[in-house]
Amino acid sequence: RKEVEQDPGPFNVPEGATVAFNCTYSNSASQSFFWYRQDCRKEPKLLMSVYSSGNEDGRFTAQLNRASQYISLLIRDSKLSDSATYLCVPFLETGANNLFFGTGTRLTVIP
Amino acid sequence: GAVVSQHPSWVICKSGTSVKIECRSLDFQATTMFWYRQFPKQSLMLMATSNEGSKATYEQGVEKDKFLINHASLTLSTLTVTSAHPEDSSFYICSARDWGSNSNQPQHFGDGTRLSIL
Repeated sequence: RKEVEQDPGPFNVPEGATVAFNCTYSNSASQSFFWYRQDCRKEPKLLMSVYSSGNEDGRFTAQLNRASQYISLLIRDSKLSDSATYLCVPFLETGANNLFFGTGTRLTVIP
Repeated sequence: GAVVSQHPSWVICKSGTSVKIECRSLDFQATTMFWYRQFPKQSLMLMATSNEGSKATYEQGVEKDKFLINHASLTLSTLTVTSAHPEDSSFYICSARDWGSNSNQPQHFGDGTRLSIL
């Protein structure tokens, strides 16, 4: 079973739409969770950190369900600049590095 | 904030050439740095963990004699792709964790190096 599973998309949505991405993770010991966005041929950039049941940052809302090992990201009022690949990343505090990247979900916001 | 600098950003070279990529932590010390590789439309895959003053730890399937890692100082790790071939063409990204920071970022990423082997 993969560490992280996401619907690869692509999701093509019009400007102003609301879109949600889902993510499941396999390691129940994961303590922290992050959403990164990655533009084509660029490094991943941290979008949001998720430590408890979820949090909100402007147009972005992340929710975490530890029992189901499921994380979601909701984007409201989509902008053209939101077009990117969104990576759900579980993190284990133990060990030097335990960031697990999936293939991500590709979003294209259309004018 | 913490910054990781990676150089070069783009390399095009002939098959058989060895290519060195540098990763620097600019305003913090990094005892551990990480090297990832990403092929088109695929996920970031951890290649190896670079440890300052000791040998790197390689992930399964990554040839240590092919991908030489040196972490001689607390701010610099280098990855050398030896005798590169077209199948080594990929996007290589380094990262480092700033353990002394209160930042919520688990790792800080370099800008990546796009390697194309002809």
